[in-house]
Amino acid sequence: GAVVSQHPSRVICKSGTSVKIECRSLDFQATTMFWYRQFPKQSLMLMATSNEGSKATYEQGVEKDKFLINHASLTLSTLTVTSAHPEDSSFYICSARLRETEAFFGQGTRLTVV
Amino acid sequence: GQNIDQPTEMTATEGAIVQINCTYQTSGFNGLFWYQQHAGEAPTFLSYNVLDGLEEKGRFSSFLSRSKGYSYLLLKELQMKDSASYLCAVVDSNYQLIWGAGTKLIIKP
Repeated sequence: GAVVSQHPSRVICKSGTSVKIECRSLDFQATTMFWYRQFPKQSLMLMATSNEGSKATYEQGVEKDKFLINHASLTLSTLTVTSAHPEDSSFYICSARLRETEAFFGQGTRLTVV
Repeated sequence: GQNIDQPTEMTATEGAIVQINCTYQTSGFNGLFWYQQHAGEAPTFLSYNVLDGLEEKGRFSSFLSRSKGYSYLLLKELQMKDSASYLCAVVDSNYQLIWGAGTKLIIKP
């Protein structure tokens, strides 16, 4: 299957700092990428849909100024958690759509804010 | 509202067969995904169904009935490594993915 690379896999940061997570589709072009958040023992929660060359569409309740999404190219989308707080600690997962029929996930990033 | 229902947890024996059901009520339907997720890892794509019927891929099969709003994932010849959560997700009329909460499958020797 197609490969989506997400980096870093784990990050620990201090409260108040910003963290950038990258999501790359390695062998295909993805016009649409999705960013999810997953709390322990819960389902994936869609945060935003990122379309190449345009502003991301955020789900209700997700602060766009806190979770900055940039989709500058057909193979790269980034999520920046700004002014991180301990409650932002979570598992963040990106997904890139190859066709309407398939979306491939990155490995996920476990963010811990101390 | 939109709703995806899956059992929270299931237990099965190594070598046996297990069926994980998923029922959905969504605004429109443009396909249904099944994903496998091991603890602490990202989900892995298993199958996609958009037409009624059974799709077989090795030990895993997925079935869809659009008229009943129902799908199941069938796992045969269970192995210990199949212990994971299985997520059902439906693509609605806006091509948004609606996720179920996942079914935790426990395999016992």
